[in-house]
Amino acid sequence: QKEVEQDPGPLSVPEGAIVSLNCTYSNSAFQYFMWYRQYSRKGPELLMYTYSSGNKEDGRFTAQVDKSSKYISLFIRDSQPSDSATYLCARLSNTDKLIFGTGTRLQVFP
Amino acid sequence: DAGVIQSPRHEVTEMGQEVTLRCKPISGHDYLFWYRQTMMRGLELLIYFNNNVPIDDSGMPEDRFSAKMPNASFSTLKIQPSEPRDSAVYFCASSSSTINRETQYFGPGTRLLVL
Repeated sequence: QKEVEQDPGPLSVPEGAIVSLNCTYSNSAFQYFMWYRQYSRKGPELLMYTYSSGNKEDGRFTAQVDKSSKYISLFIRDSQPSDSATYLCARLSNTDKLIFGTGTRLQVFP
Repeated sequence: DAGVIQSPRHEVTEMGQEVTLRCKPISGHDYLFWYRQTMMRGLELLIYFNNNVPIDDSGMPEDRFSAKMPNASFSTLKIQPSEPRDSAVYFCASSSSTINRETQYFGPGTRLLVL
């Protein structure tokens, strides 16, 4: 079992829709969780990170961690075509290594 | 400030040839990471350095792969001899232990094709 599991998609939604992207993880000791966004033929860039449980909001983006179910979610409100990218969830180990999921490809069509 | 710089951006080579990928981290960052990305396996950490010292190379696939960091502003990833299964996008990333240690900044990647 991979440490971080993610549905590869692709996920295709119309502009303005609410998008829900999800990951599961296996190690309860994880504390830091991240979402990276990767546009086609570019390197990943950090979108959001959360520490432990709860929600964190940044504009149209909300990251949520549910430690009881080992579930990480990213919600995108009022999705835009410019949000079309691959979204990678990751957790940070205590040795500063990032363990990534395989990524979910999102397509927002006008 | 410039981001992480990688060269070359694209590399096409024949099986058996030596390949050298280069990375310049963001100035002042003390961590440097090498990743490989494929459709099948996603983004995998190969090796990382802290203050130019290799800390964890458990992700390096085999002895054909080697990485060095001779100084704080330069690192190389070498594959010798290269094989078709090494075809992938190789990313370098850097971060700072004193400023937002959880944030890694990725370079644009090197697309490697081994024929």
